[in-house]
Amino acid sequence: LAKTTQPISMDSYEGQEVNITCSHNNIATNDYITWYQQFPSQGPRFIIQGYKTKVTNEVASLFIPADRKSSTLSLPRVSLSDTAVYYCLVGFNTNAGKSTFGDGTTLTVKP
Amino acid sequence: NAGVTQTPKFRVLKTGQSMTLLCAQDMNHEYMYWYRQDPGMGLRLIHYSVGEGTTAKGEVPDGYNVSRLKKQNFLLGLESAAPSQTSVYFCASSSGTGASPLHFGNGTRLTVT
Repeated sequence: LAKTTQPISMDSYEGQEVNITCSHNNIATNDYITWYQQFPSQGPRFIIQGYKTKVTNEVASLFIPADRKSSTLSLPRVSLSDTAVYYCLVGFNTNAGKSTFGDGTTLTVKP
Repeated sequence: NAGVTQTPKFRVLKTGQSMTLLCAQDMNHEYMYWYRQDPGMGLRLIHYSVGEGTTAKGEVPDGYNVSRLKKQNFLLGLESAAPSQTSVYFCASSSGTGASPLHFGNGTRLTVT
């Protein structure tokens, strides 16, 4: 399994850019990297997904270096409503049994 | 469009009792998953299914059984509940093609006393 490592927590202020990095040294050739957001008492929600280089959508960007052993989720100009737990998930596209999440990163956005 | 629906939302069991959690999805997804989430931790995969009539073990399958008799439903059973199974249970589904993301329900909070 592609084990992932993320910081346990991060603090930020409204309007700042936040970057959360996930390490996945054992990523396999065909594995995709997917990020999810979870609010209290809710199921995780898909944010963004990528395979290599950079991916951007309306809420975030995902940066993946050439060796793919890490990835960085970038949230531009965060607001209080971005306070949540963020998880990176690696490889579930190649093996559904790989669909186990790490402990995630708790992001707290302060006013 | 309901997405993934879990029932019940809350349940309290006594040690040794049994129960079944129901997950239903209306997106015609092939893959379905059951996770548990303990306080302050990530989601751990219990069992999953890659199609109607199939099931497979995940990371923490002991004490649980599952069935996928219909494509839209995935049932999680506890035959003899234990306090260690107190947790929040999440169901998810995905189309299983390419890198399609997981779609989650809102969870079932189970307490075993």
